[in-house]
Amino acid sequence: GQNIDQPTEMTATEGAIVQINCTYQTSGFNGLFWYQQHAGEAPTFLSYNVLDGLEEKGRFSSFLSRSKGYSYLLLKELQMKDSASYLCAVRDRSGYALNFGKGTSLLVTP
Amino acid sequence: DTAVSQTPKYLVTQMGNDKSIKCEQNLGHDTMYWYKQDSKKFLKIMFSYNNKELIINETVPNRFSPKSPDKAHLNLHINSLELGDSAVYFCASRSGIAVGAQYFGPGTRLLVL
Repeated sequence: GQNIDQPTEMTATEGAIVQINCTYQTSGFNGLFWYQQHAGEAPTFLSYNVLDGLEEKGRFSSFLSRSKGYSYLLLKELQMKDSASYLCAVRDRSGYALNFGKGTSLLVTP
Repeated sequence: DTAVSQTPKYLVTQMGNDKSIKCEQNLGHDTMYWYKQDSKKFLKIMFSYNNKELIINETVPNRFSPKSPDKAHLNLHINSLELGDSAVYFCASRSGIAVGAQYFGPGTRLLVL
């Protein structure tokens, strides 16, 4: 089975940096994904890690440690539009199924 | 536009009715999914089809029946709707190559009265 944990809510200030953590315990691992979901909209793909280390994509970076079952999403130079829910998802060994955490609701304040 | 599309966007119906939600993707992907997102925003996989074959069938009441007429379409039929079926249903698709990220449709907001 899969057990994926993320903080429920976080608040940060415009222009700052925020780190959203995700820990997982899985019976199989085939990559970790981060998605962003604005209220009333569909989740959109942000990043993917399958090997240990940091992947950088503009203002967003994602880190993975497979031995620790740990990932984080780092958002730099926060903007008001970054207020959204951030979903951590682990792909299982089959390569087909994504199991999502319950999401972290991020509020960016002026 | 290349995308995953769903119809209808909103669906309000009475308990006991039967309804269908349609999904189409023109991304050329081989695999399609149905997810349910409940009021607490938890996104849970229901079904997955790969090239029209059912490959994932999670613990879902058999009132829910997916159908894939071709690899670009995956429809969801729900019989005897119950109050607890109220949720947002997302369709998604993924490519079998490279990262294989899933791309989601806009969602269907189902309200059962």
